[in-house]
Amino acid sequence: DAGVIQSPRHEVTEMGQEVTLRCKPISGHDYLFWYRQTMMRGLELLIYFNNNVPIDDSGMPEDRFSAKMPNASFSTLKIQPSEPRDSAVYFCASSPGLGPYGYTFGSGTRLTVV
Amino acid sequence: GQQLNQSPQSMFIQEGEDVSMNCTSSSIFNTWLWYKQDPGEGPVLLIALYKAGELTSNGRLTAQFGITRKDSFLNISASIPSDVGIYFCAGLRGSQGNLIFGKGTKLSVKP
Repeated sequence: DAGVIQSPRHEVTEMGQEVTLRCKPISGHDYLFWYRQTMMRGLELLIYFNNNVPIDDSGMPEDRFSAKMPNASFSTLKIQPSEPRDSAVYFCASSPGLGPYGYTFGSGTRLTVV
Repeated sequence: GQQLNQSPQSMFIQEGEDVSMNCTSSSIFNTWLWYKQDPGEGPVLLIALYKAGELTSNGRLTAQFGITRKDSFLNISASIPSDVGIYFCAGLRGSQGNLIFGKGTKLSVKP
């Protein structure tokens, strides 16, 4: 298995632009998570899905953030409009269940909003 | 909310030295996990602990699940330059739920 695949690896955009981050989870994993990592706050859980259905989006910082999972092999995290304070590394992770399995993380998307 | 306090925040050591780091909480956890994040990559699971008092090794890494179930420790023996990275602890309360992550310990190894 290729693991969790995220794209792009790096994104530089201007403030106010729409940004879309993409994730392909490991096949057969029923859970997909979106995290944001910053120096100040560490790893923050933004939202997670179970069988393509959003379960908990309480970590999504604002209405500018939205996430979708149209099928079991694809998810997007969209920021519209983007702001400089959104600059961070965004990780997608997947897991076979909610429990002591551990999560498999992708390599992340480093977002810079200028 | 639930928090894991990870210490130290950063360490600068000489190659060959042993390293110890820990993770504590005011809450009881049923599972402790340790991850390593290489520069520019996502965290990778190193060791999983499922029972209080459990001691588990993975090569030069040894992790322990604290007896009180409120803490966990990770030791790295005879460090090498490729040990550089950020080490995260993560805990799970109950048998299901989201993992709670610590803020990480950044390890630097001088050759």
